[in-house]
Parts: sequence; structure tokens; C-alpha cells
Amino acid sequence: NAGVMQNPRHLVRRRGQEARLRCSPMKGHSHVYWYRQLPEEGLKFMVYLQKENIIDESGMPKERFSAEFPKEGPSILRIQQVVRGDSAAYFCASSPFHSQETQYFGPGTRLLVL
Amino acid sequence: QKEVEQNSGPLSVPEGAIASLNCTYSDRGSQSFFWYRQYSGKSPELIMFIYSNGDKEDGRFTAQLNKASQYVSLLIRDSQPSDSATYLCAVLPGNQFYFGTGTSLTVIP
Repeated sequence: NAGVMQNPRHLVRRRGQEARLRCSPMKGHSHVYWYRQLPEEGLKFMVYLQKENIIDESGMPKERFSAEFPKEGPSILRIQQVVRGDSAAYFCASSPFHSQETQYFGPGTRLLVL
Repeated sequence: QKEVEQNSGPLSVPEGAIASLNCTYSDRGSQSFFWYRQYSGKSPELIMFIYSNGDKEDGRFTAQLNKASQYVSLLIRDSQPSDSATYLCAVLPGNQFYFGTGTSLTVIP
């Protein structure tokens, strides 16, 4: 049973470009969570999604950031017009139901904005 | 404001010693508490969770929770060099995790 998969593992973008991060949850998991980890900081919750629904996006910046989890395919975190401050590790986690103790993290995507 | 505070360290202990990691939280409504381990450049992995006041033991790890003092700790007995990592405390007061910044632990052979 494959774990949570994220791609790309590393992404380099220039300021103003778009970054698209993908997360495929574990098989049978329908809940996805996105976190951001800035250098020397803790994990910050961004958004919680179920298939075709955003449940909680209270941690998401109001502008430039969006997330989706379509009926088919991976969850996508999209960052438009990236700035240097967006450089961070972005982790996705999944769970079979809304139970945090069974949350499994993916390997993360390291975004570098030049 | 929901905050989780950890001493960033680094904490260094000799191999075989007990490592003690501490965490305080601000939201009295928090019900669930978690410890994650994160190796450099890797994703967090769950070590333990605890809901009730007192101690919870799992192998070499013991989590301790004191809700009155809003304090949760992790003890690692017989520390090994492979325990060297950053340990993240997380609190679940509602719908989302709140993480501390982590404590860096180094176990010296």
C-alpha cells in the first residue's frame, strides 16, 4: 500500500510564476490536509479538504493561494504569482476519516522562489 | 490565540540517558496532544498521542500530560543516536493541528 505521495519533491520558480503542488493520498483516504513549514518554524496548517469540498481553509493566505481535491486525481495546492516569502516546505497529510491521530504525512515539496 | 511553545534547543544528551522534551499550550479547550519526530529534510512521523492526564508509555517513549498546567512532555529513555531529530509537539483544540516550532535533540554516542 503506497504511502502519501507528493510531487514534485523540489520545485524552483521565479517571482511572479505559478507553483502547482500535487498530493495523492493513501489508498482509501478521503481527507487531505496541507501544511507549510518555513525555515526554523513549525508546521502551519493551511487547509483541510475532502473530495470536492474545502472543509477548513482558515490557515490559507487570502490571496494567491488556492486548493482543490477533485473527485478524480490528486489534491492540488496552487500558488499564483509566487514571491520569495513563499519558499518553504509544503507537506500534505491524509487520513481515512477526520481523525488526526491517523494522519500520515507525505514527503513534502520544497519550493524555492528565486 | 492558540499557541504551542517549545524550547527550540538544541538539547544534547549522552547515549543511554533520558531525554526530556517539554511543551506548553495556551488553549485550555485542547483535548488531544501529539508528539511527532522529524528528521532533517524529512516529513513528520507520529510517535505518540495522549488524551488523558497522566502518563502514557510506548516502548522507550513516555508522554506526560497535565491539563491543569497546560503542559505536555515526552521522555525518551535509553536515548540512541538514531533518536537525534527535531521533536514537534502538536495540539488539537478543534478542527486543525497547532504545532510548536520543535525541539532539536542530539544524542551523543
